[in-house]
Amino acid sequence: IAGITQAPTSQILAAGRRMTLRCTQDMRHNAMYWYRQDLGLGLRLIHYSNTAGTTGKGEVPDGYSVSRANTDDFPLTLASAVPSQTSVYFCASRQTGSGYGYTFGSGTRLTVV
Amino acid sequence: SQQGEEDPQALSIQEGENATMNCSYKTSINNLQWYRQNSGRGLVHLILIRSNEREKHSGRLRVTLDTSKKSSSLLITASRAADTASYFCATARLRDNYGQNFVFGPGTRLSVLP
Repeated sequence: IAGITQAPTSQILAAGRRMTLRCTQDMRHNAMYWYRQDLGLGLRLIHYSNTAGTTGKGEVPDGYSVSRANTDDFPLTLASAVPSQTSVYFCASRQTGSGYGYTFGSGTRLTVV
Repeated sequence: SQQGEEDPQALSIQEGENATMNCSYKTSINNLQWYRQNSGRGLVHLILIRSNEREKHSGRLRVTLDTSKKSSSLLITASRAADTASYFCATARLRDNYGQNFVFGPGTRLSVLP
């Protein structure tokens, strides 16, 4: 089934630990994104990648890093988790061009304690 | 700051009624999109309207865009309980620090009562 797979679906993480959220798509979309969704704040862009080999910072990049070694995978790493990173994280992808919308994954619910 | 903001924040209607949600934005856009999010799930793309379009339909959905007022509306006709969800508008700005990325509003929570 074409789409985006995120893993894990949920995680409780001790503060200070390192964590990588995985995102894989099988639609051969060029662009991929990581958003976090917090109550009352909507979705905020963390990092993005317009094509394999390139990444860029979004609105709230601090404390997060990404890599885009190939078209399909776009992992998000929290180097040293803090409680303010408790959130629901969504990976998305889309074909580049002005007429395309996002396809979203089902999200990872992360709690940092 | 948020590019798009939906109005109202929450809306409750009876099954069979029409639901209208509005979105306002601040800067010039390439296109505007509407998404639905069911509780605990990812967002699902509903419809895209380009800046040179004024109205678009998809099934029971009707979207309008008024670029002079920097606003859009989403109309869901003959609503069903399954339409209960949060609805988000997202704008693709003409000039954006993040390339052709979309900025989401905080959403409208729609409850359709049986």
